[in-house]
Amino acid sequence: DTGVSQDPRHKITKRGQNVTFRCDPISEHNRLYWYRQTLGQGPEFLTYFQNEAQLEKSRLLSDRFSAERPKGSFSTLEIQRTEQGDSAMYLCASSGITGSSYNEQFFGPGTRLTVL
Amino acid sequence: AQKVTQAQTEISVVEKEDVTLDCVYETRDTTYYLFWYKQPPSGELVFLIRRNSFDEQNEISGRYSWNFQKSTSSFNFTITASQVVDSAVYFCALSEASAGNMLTFGGGTRLMVKP
Repeated sequence: DTGVSQDPRHKITKRGQNVTFRCDPISEHNRLYWYRQTLGQGPEFLTYFQNEAQLEKSRLLSDRFSAERPKGSFSTLEIQRTEQGDSAMYLCASSGITGSSYNEQFFGPGTRLTVL
Repeated sequence: AQKVTQAQTEISVVEKEDVTLDCVYETRDTTYYLFWYKQPPSGELVFLIRRNSFDEQNEISGRYSWNFQKSTSSFNFTITASQVVDSAVYFCALSEASAGNMLTFGGGTRLMVKP
């Protein structure tokens, strides 16, 4: 499978616990994005990387959230001291850059987080 | 600030009917991109189409067609002869070249196609 993969697909945790999600982008893509989607809403941008550099973070990304892409390949999103409001689907997407062309973002299956 | 509005939250049609999903956007950039994504019950977002702001040509792909009108800031999506497999949530999205190409999504339109 050469698409975007995410692990785990589902995560149930208790309030106050830390969780970490992983995203493996399409191998030749150098941009990686994280989005959050709550029930009945469209995805909302959280942050993105170009190679290993984190270039932008949304105001939605509180200081309990941290994302890394240490070698410019896979990325991790960690949520510390989870709250019930963090319950959502966390989506990862990747895109490539070819010269000055814009490349569409391809999404992974998401990680559904439930905070009890 | 960029914004995407999908006024229709839910549409129900009978198989073989044509259906149009509306999308209106706001942006201050002159260079931007518009997208449609499909999210079936399985949950994974599937890319359907991208349009850049300099290309107002309408596009047809099989039963799908898209109408981009800069004058009304709209990018509507029509499915001709709908099928049950078209049932999904459809999202319109916008990205500005000056904003790192992050996507701003509309709230989505849930399409239900009944047999």
